[in-house]
Amino acid sequence: GENVEQHPSTLSVQEGDSAVIKCTYSDSASNYFPWYKQELGKGPQLIIDIRSNVGEKKDQRIAVTLNKTAKHFSLHITETQPEDSAVYFCAGGTAGNKLTFGGGTRVLVKP
Amino acid sequence: DTEVTQTPKHLVMGMTNKKSLKCEQHMGHRAMYWYKQKAKKPPELMFVYSYEKLSINESVPSRFSPECPNSSLLNLHLHALQPEDSALYLCASSQKRSWSVDQPQHFGDGTRLSIL
Repeated sequence: GENVEQHPSTLSVQEGDSAVIKCTYSDSASNYFPWYKQELGKGPQLIIDIRSNVGEKKDQRIAVTLNKTAKHFSLHITETQPEDSAVYFCAGGTAGNKLTFGGGTRVLVKP
Repeated sequence: DTEVTQTPKHLVMGMTNKKSLKCEQHMGHRAMYWYKQKAKKPPELMFVYSYEKLSINESVPSRFSPECPNSSLLNLHLHALQPEDSALYLCASSQKRSWSVDQPQHFGDGTRLSIL
């Protein structure tokens, strides 16, 4: 089955700096890669996603890149703000409505 | 506020109790999911329902029994749970257009379950 690895497990950045989280996946059949943000006491919230026929996608301060050949994808957050502090999960999707999540990255933005 | 509503938000039960978790969505989604999340871990898929039929069971113990009475509701019936079953139980839903997975899953805020 699919295996998704996520790095780093924790990330501390100064407000205004950029944050980058990287994920690798094992199943070449995976074709959908969402990113979720989970705040304390809440469920995961979809923040951006990318499909295998696209190399890059951007939404305001958030961007995701996908390298299918290398089987890795990354989340980039620019101009970080304290409200960006949360746990971020990447995931890989294969047929059958099945998502496999990475281990998560705890992001702390210091004011 | 999420568009997937889960009740109750918190549940404490003994190992001999029977209880149910409930999930509701009104987005017209025809795929619904149960996940289990332990502290500081990612969500783990338990069950997938597609058009109200169980399509994936990730080898979950029989003390967890899912039910999808209609396209908007998803239940998880609990019986004779163990202390290690204490976790956050998340419900999600998505559109179901084809056999591919590329439809976003929308999560509720979960039920935090504690087994005494």
